[in-house]
Amino acid sequence: DAGVIQSPRHEVTEMGQEVTLRCKPISGHNSLFWYRQTMMRGLELLIYFNNNVPIDDSGMPEDRFSAKMPNASFSTLKIQPSEPRDSAVYFCASSFPGASGETEQYFGPGTRLTVT
Amino acid sequence: KQEVTQIPAALSVPEGENLVLNCSFTDSAIYNLQWFRQDPGKGLTSLLLIQSSQREQTSGRLNASLDKSSGRSTLYIAASQPGDSATYLCAVTGGGNKLTFGTGTQLKVEL
Repeated sequence: DAGVIQSPRHEVTEMGQEVTLRCKPISGHNSLFWYRQTMMRGLELLIYFNNNVPIDDSGMPEDRFSAKMPNASFSTLKIQPSEPRDSAVYFCASSFPGASGETEQYFGPGTRLTVT
Repeated sequence: KQEVTQIPAALSVPEGENLVLNCSFTDSAIYNLQWFRQDPGKGLTSLLLIQSSQREQTSGRLNASLDKSSGRSTLYIAASQPGDSATYLCAVTGGGNKLTFGTGTQLKVEL
């Protein structure tokens, strides 16, 4: 398996523009997570889906952020309008509970977003 | 609210030394604890996962222990190598399958 795939790997945009980040989870995984990593706040969970349904979006910072998972193999995280403080690395992760209930998460390479 | 702390924040050791990284968490109601490695500019690589019912897990030169009642975990790295240089993160899974990450330990193994 190719692992979790994220695109783009790098994104530079101007303040006010719409940004869309994409994620393809590992085939067969039924949970998908979006995280944000910054120097100040470390890694934070933004939202996660189970079987394509959003379960917890309490980490989404503002209404400018939205996430969708239209099917089991694709998810998007959208920021509209973007602001300089949104600059961070955004990670997508997926997992599938094993026979013992373990929930090991596998991370994608991340998208480095810079908003100028 | 779960809080995860890692000590030390940074560590520099000579090659070949055995070392211990520490992780503590405030809420012992966890499902599991996971140790990750992150290289500069890269994503996270899962190293070890310990279920809440387990005491330790081993993979090669790595050994992770878990004391759930005291809210502590350690990652032991034997015979460290320059290739082990990276940031090590611990994370606990609580209710709702949510991972809470620690602040990380930046490790440098020098020749």
